[in-house]
Amino acid sequence: EAGVTQFPSHSVIEKGQTVTLRCDPISGHDNLYWYRRVMGKEIKFLLHFVKESKQDESGMPNNRFLAERTGGTYSTLKVQPAELEDSGVYFCASSQDLRLAGGQETQYFGPGTRLLVL
Amino acid sequence: LAKTTQPISMDSYEGQEVNITCSHNNIATNDYITWYQQFPSQGPRFIIQGYKTKVTNEVASLFIPADRKSSTLSLPRVSLSDTAVYYCLVGNAGNNRKLIWGLGTSLAVNP
Repeated sequence: EAGVTQFPSHSVIEKGQTVTLRCDPISGHDNLYWYRRVMGKEIKFLLHFVKESKQDESGMPNNRFLAERTGGTYSTLKVQPAELEDSGVYFCASSQDLRLAGGQETQYFGPGTRLLVL
Repeated sequence: LAKTTQPISMDSYEGQEVNITCSHNNIATNDYITWYQQFPSQGPRFIIQGYKTKVTNEVASLFIPADRKSSTLSLPRVSLSDTAVYYCLVGNAGNNRKLIWGLGTSLAVNP
């Protein structure tokens, strides 16, 4: 079974440009999460989708970040316009519906997208 | 969500058993404990998860005492490839399921 995939693996853009990150969750996983690690800091939660709905977006830094999950399959995270402080590694994770997972959730992570804003 | 505390770093040698202990004093009744492993330039990789007592899989064992205020990840006979950062997280199955990450324990396995 394929794991969580993310595209691109790396992105280098200039300040003010737009970047769109993509995440393909494990097939059949309703829950999709975005996290971010800024250099030297802990991984931080950004938001959580259940199917196509945003369950929790309390971690989104500001309105320059827009996440979508149309159709409840893959998700995109767009940063527009990008700022220097947006540099970091963006991780996506997915998990099963809890009713299928016996009540405990296991989030499976993708390899991340390394974003560098110059 | 309960925060966790774990050692910043640990050193070991090939073939030894490594035990990493994590404190989670404020763990709630419906919280469970999950450990992840992360290599440089990769995403966190799920290792093991448990609620109480002992859980064992092909990679590790997880020991959780009765009060659940701590947990210990046990890696049997480590090898050089086990050099990584290990994270202990507490999560629950309620509406707030975001994972709260610390800096983890950086394990160095020496030859």
